[in-house]
Amino acid sequence: QKEVEQNSGPLSVPEGAIASLNCTYSDRGSQSFFWYRQYSGKSPELIMSIYSNGDKEDGRFTAQLNKASQYVSLLIRDSQPSDSATYLCAGENSNSGYALNFGKGTSLLVTP
Amino acid sequence: IAGITQAPTSQILAAGRRMTLRCTQDMRHNAMYWYRQDLGLGLRLIHYSNTAGTTGKGEVPDGYSVSRANTDDFPLTLASAVPSQTSVYFCASSPGGQPYGYTFGSGTRLTVV
Repeated sequence: QKEVEQNSGPLSVPEGAIASLNCTYSDRGSQSFFWYRQYSGKSPELIMSIYSNGDKEDGRFTAQLNKASQYVSLLIRDSQPSDSATYLCAGENSNSGYALNFGKGTSLLVTP
Repeated sequence: IAGITQAPTSQILAAGRRMTLRCTQDMRHNAMYWYRQDLGLGLRLIHYSNTAGTTGKGEVPDGYSVSRANTDDFPLTLASAVPSQTSVYFCASSPGGQPYGYTFGSGTRLTVV
């Protein structure tokens, strides 16, 4: 079973701080990775995608990918209470067309 | 409004009954997916379809079937529901051609009693 692993948390950070979320993956065939945000009782929402090694920045979000270490991370700068949610890491499933393998998610709590 | 529509929003179903969860998208996405989400287990792929007329099995396909007669619709059928199928079901779609991020539907909360 090819897996995406995340620490379930909760990760608690004060408002204005940097939140760092991490995941590892086992599918060496995976080339594409995604971060989703899911509020309680809602569906996941795509916030970042990353396809090549290095950093990708979009507003307050930075995704980082290291294929050699099979490691993906998401940094959230200037964290806000509205960022409190569960963050899902997903990687391409190399055996199922364009389907994604999801981690179980990391719960983030940003305290005022 | 472009997106994915799932129906019903929630359902309580007697064990042994047949149930079809509906999923329709209007974005002309080629690929569609069904996932179930359970506390502590995350999102698990049930079935997928890379293009109309083709389907494939995911991680947890047993007890479920799908069809993809056209681009827009991807129904999920439980032939004879069991309590272990109690879950939140999400339909998703992507353009296909290479891995893109998904657009998710709002989900169906199914309780099998």
